[in-house]
Amino acid sequence: DAGVIQSPRHEVTEMGQEVTLRCKPISGHDYLFWYRQTMMRGLELLIYFNNNVPIDDSGMPEDRFSAKMPNASFSTLKIQPSEPRDSAVYFCASRVDSWVNTGELFFGEGSRLTVL
Amino acid sequence: QKEVEQNSGPLSVPEGAIASLNCTYSDRGSQSFFWYRQYSGKSPELIMFIYSNGDKEDGRFTAQLNKASQYVSLLIRDSQPSDSATYLCAVHEYSTLTFGKGTMLLVSP
Repeated sequence: DAGVIQSPRHEVTEMGQEVTLRCKPISGHDYLFWYRQTMMRGLELLIYFNNNVPIDDSGMPEDRFSAKMPNASFSTLKIQPSEPRDSAVYFCASRVDSWVNTGELFFGEGSRLTVL
Repeated sequence: QKEVEQNSGPLSVPEGAIASLNCTYSDRGSQSFFWYRQYSGKSPELIMFIYSNGDKEDGRFTAQLNKASQYVSLLIRDSQPSDSATYLCAVHEYSTLTFGKGTMLLVSP
């Protein structure tokens, strides 16, 4: 399996521009998570989906952030308009619907966003 | 709000020594606990998880859990320079993991 695939790996944009981050979870995984990592705040959960349905978006910082999962193999995180404080590494992660054996979250390589 | 606390470090140990990484959590009802390792510029990867009080060993790694004290630790025996990384403690709540900010470990040759 190719693992969780994220794109782009790096994105540099100017304040006010729209940013779209993409994620392909591991096939067969029921849960998909979007995390954001910064030095100051660490790894923060933004939103997660179960079977393509958003379950908890309480971590989404503002209305400028939105996420979708139109099918089991694709999700997007969109920031519109972007601001310099959105600069961070955004990780997508997925897991199967069972915590019994490992409970492991599988992370993608991350998308490093820089907003100038 | 549930919190996971870790000393940010860096924790510096010489090669071959035991590294001890600690984590406390605020929710007494938490059941499962995870240690992830993150190399600079890379994504987190699972080292091990624990859900019963006591010790759990996996190779050079030992996780320790004390639910009464709300305390989780990770011991790394015979530390190697390749162990130099940030170690993230995570607590299972509902269907998600809440992460601490991590402790940076530096193992010097």
